Amino acid sequence: SSELTQDPAVSVALGQTVRITCQGDSVRMYYPSWYQQRPGQAPVLVIYGENNRPSGIPDRFSGSSSGNTASLTITGAQAEDEADYYCNSREVFGGGTKLTVL
Amino acid sequence: HLQESGPGLVKPSQTLSLICTVSGASISGGSNYWSWIRQPAGKGLEWIGRMYTSGSTNYNPSLKSRVSISIDTSKNQFSLQLNSVTAADTAVYYCARQKSYYDSSGYTYYFDSWGQGILVTVSS
Repeated sequence: SSELTQDPAVSVALGQTVRITCQGDSVRMYYPSWYQQRPGQAPVLVIYGENNRPSGIPDRFSGSSSGNTASLTITGAQAEDEADYYCNSREVFGGGTKLTVL
Repeated sequence: HLQESGPGLVKPSQTLSLICTVSGASISGGSNYWSWIRQPAGKGLEWIGRMYTSGSTNYNPSLKSRVSISIDTSKNQFSLQLNSVTAADTAVYYCARQKSYYDSSGYTYYFDSWGQGILVTVSS
């Protein structure tokens, strides 16, 4: 299958830890990357490869992958982390997860 | 830095043409995939296609019969053409640079640079 499945919505209390998952066969073939998209803005890369963060991305963002499931973890979620998050595996995007910080 | 440009309104059945201007990097240098991605209002990201620096292309199978991506190295630009558009092609279109590498974890692909996006509306 060339699809990536994400939960449509997830919520987390301010300062708590949240995990966003991404499932699909392409995760087995290509290490996934993760993007944050705030309303009206272009996506921003937050995690790629085996837990690599681009310059400027806080270290509360981390990634992991096992089998056909990839995860993005935010440890100590902040209000500014409220956004849509997309996983990607080469040319396939997940449907996105809307993260709400309570 | 990437910047999309082109018409914001296209009539049904006509051709959507967009250009992405790349600054701060040579479009013919490095091992990069110059890509187009779109996002209908309120929906997720859809990969359209990409051109490797060698000139090879890959397209989304659902769009392959209508899409073409090309590169103009003299202007440091790459472009998108989508033929026979309908209202379903209305979306924000992004250009992006995709990079890849191989290590002990396998292959990794990621989009490290995106344009701000351009809204294209298909309407008569």
